[in-house]
Amino acid sequence: NAGVTQTPKFRILKIGQSMTLQCTQDMNHNYMYWYRQDPGMGLKLIYYSVGAGITDKGEVPNGYNVSRSTTEDFPLRLELAAPSQTSVYFCASSSLGWTGTTVSSGNTIYFGEGSWLTVV
Amino acid sequence: GESVGLHLPTLSVQEGDNSIINCAYSNSASDYFIWYKQESGKGPQFIIDIRSNMDKRQGQRVTVLLNKTVKHLSLQIAATQPGDSAVYFCAETVDTGRRALTFGSGTRLQVQP
Repeated sequence: NAGVTQTPKFRILKIGQSMTLQCTQDMNHNYMYWYRQDPGMGLKLIYYSVGAGITDKGEVPNGYNVSRSTTEDFPLRLELAAPSQTSVYFCASSSLGWTGTTVSSGNTIYFGEGSWLTVV
Repeated sequence: GESVGLHLPTLSVQEGDNSIINCAYSNSASDYFIWYKQESGKGPQFIIDIRSNMDKRQGQRVTVLLNKTVKHLSLQIAATQPGDSAVYFCAETVDTGRRALTFGSGTRLQVQP
């Protein structure tokens, strides 16, 4: 059961460099998300997607871009890395169905293991 | 703005005791809440969830209580074990259309042997 897979696990970037964090899920979920987590803090939403070809900004989108060409993949792009982007990045996915009256753990958000990014 | 927060940043309990982790939320429109456990170096792991039309939900050794009147959420862990040591986050939906969550800052649970 792969679930949500992120790569790379660790990366060090120099200021101004660009890179892409890869994310793929094998649960056929329509919804995918990118969060960042700064030390000792909760997760903040960067971008999300409600389906292939559709993306939208979250709370902290500046400095990032995303694309969703397939249901499975949701890469996150950093174009000009800055020290403020040093963080742990989590990709996540979820299925539809939160409008029902039955609470089910199958309707929740599943997270990847995280990608540790340091910008120096 | 809307926010989800926790009363206690660190909770230390003895092994075998019951643990209670609290969370306050400010958005009365939130209709779905989740508790996550995050161990060091790992992603958040789903523990239990609850909808706003429920007051209580039980899982294996865990219970979530929701008090909509005072906008309060709690996670109770029975017979706390060393493996329960982690950071616990509550999260809420503020926009069910996008299914994204707003997370609190987390409570660290330390289980003393």
